[in-house]
Amino acid sequence: AQSVTQLDSHVSVSEGTPVLLRCNYSSSYSPSLFWYVQHPNKGLQLLLKYTSAATLVKGINGFEAEFKKSETSFHLTKPSAHMSDAAEYFCVVIRGSYIPTFGRGTSLIVHP
Amino acid sequence: DAGVTQSPTHLIKTRGQQVTLRCSPKSGHDTVSWYQQALGQGPQFIFQYYEEEERQRGNFPDRFSGHQFPNYSSELNVNALLLGDSALYLCASSLSGISTDTQYFGPGTRLTVL
Repeated sequence: AQSVTQLDSHVSVSEGTPVLLRCNYSSSYSPSLFWYVQHPNKGLQLLLKYTSAATLVKGINGFEAEFKKSETSFHLTKPSAHMSDAAEYFCVVIRGSYIPTFGRGTSLIVHP
Repeated sequence: DAGVTQSPTHLIKTRGQQVTLRCSPKSGHDTVSWYQQALGQGPQFIFQYYEEEERQRGNFPDRFSGHQFPNYSSELNVNALLLGDSALYLCASSLSGISTDTQYFGPGTRLTVL
């Protein structure tokens, strides 16, 4: 069985400060891991994905994530938050055949 | 180039009724997946269609069924609606259905069951 846990339901940061959204996964096999962003009234958009290549993955809009097998983590980071980053973020794990499992989401709030 | 489109945007039904939701994939994509997103939750995978056949299915009852047409568009049908079926239904398309393919999501259909 596979599962994904997003450790924070809400994260609040000030504009210009670093962002850290935490994700832990459990999977019996080497997983593929994704981060998606959902802005209000817009479709989910892929930020980045890990598929067993480089463990540090760079995505769009300055986001990146590091796959740490020993910690079963895939945390999402950004050096400097922008107001437009305010949205819901989802960590996703896929193992083997195509059954993606989404986390419950982390709401990122960015203060001016 | 149009992205993934879904219709209708909103729908209100009563318990016991049946509903059909529609999805047109991104141009050039042949694989369509459907998700249910309850309020405050992450999307849950319902099923995936490729070459007009259901290829993978999540943990949803048989009341949820689908179809894919030769032009790759897809329908999601839900029978005997329950209050708990109220959710945002998302459609996503991808190029070949390989699990690591990037999925492109539509804006969703908001279903309310009264």
